[in-house]
Amino acid sequence: GESVGLHLPTLSVQEGDNSIINCAYSNSASDYFIWYKQESGKGPQFIIDIRSNMDKRQGQRVTVLLNKTVKHLSLQIAATQPGDSAVYFCAENIRGDYKLSFGAGTTVTVRA
Amino acid sequence: NAGVTQTPKFRILKIGQSMTLQCTQDMNHNYMYWYRQDPGMGLKLIYYSVGAGITDKGEVPNGYNVSRSTTEDFPLRLELAAPSQTSVYFCASSYSLEKLFFGSGTQLSVL
Repeated sequence: GESVGLHLPTLSVQEGDNSIINCAYSNSASDYFIWYKQESGKGPQFIIDIRSNMDKRQGQRVTVLLNKTVKHLSLQIAATQPGDSAVYFCAENIRGDYKLSFGAGTTVTVRA
Repeated sequence: NAGVTQTPKFRILKIGQSMTLQCTQDMNHNYMYWYRQDPGMGLKLIYYSVGAGITDKGEVPNGYNVSRSTTEDFPLRLELAAPSQTSVYFCASSYSLEKLFFGSGTQLSVL
C-alpha cells in the first residue's frame, strides 16, 4: 500500500488567507520529500523539497515543515491567491531507492 | 529547452489494440519515469530508467513495456489494451532523483 498519504482530499481557502496542506508518511527510511502542484490538464510542477536532516524550508510564499517524530510534513502557502487553486501532491524517496512515491493529492480551491 | 515532450496528447484505443506513448527530453537527464494517474488519485509508477539501456519495474508494470535505447527517449508500449489502462500517463525526467520534470501527459481511453 501507499506509504505517503494526505490527511484531507479537499481544502477550500479564502483568498488572502494562509493554506496548510498536510501529508503523513509511514516509512522511517524516507529521507527526501517533495511537494508538487498540478493544475487542471497539466503535469505536476515542482514547488519545494526538503531533506530529512532539516525541519523547515522556505521558498517564495511557501514553507515546508517536516516532523520526523510523527512522520508528518506540511506545505504552507502564504496569502493564497486564485492561481494557487490546484491539486497538491507530496512525494517521498526512501534512502537508496531510485524513485519517488506519491500520495493521493489534496485539491485546493481558492474562494474570491 | 522544450523540457519533456509527450505524444500524443489524446488517444482512444479499442480493446486489444496496441500503441506506443512517446516521451523525449532534451535536458540530458539520466533518470526517466512513466507514471499513470487515475481520476482523483495520485501517481502510480509504471516503469523507470536510470540511464540508457537500463529499465526497471515500478508499482504497476503489468500490461506495459519500455525501452531506453538513448538518453533522450523513453517510449511506453501497450501491447493488448484493456479498459483498466484508461488513464492519464505522465512521463518525467530528472538529473538526479530529485526534482522530477513532468511532461503534459497523454490521456488514453480504452473502449
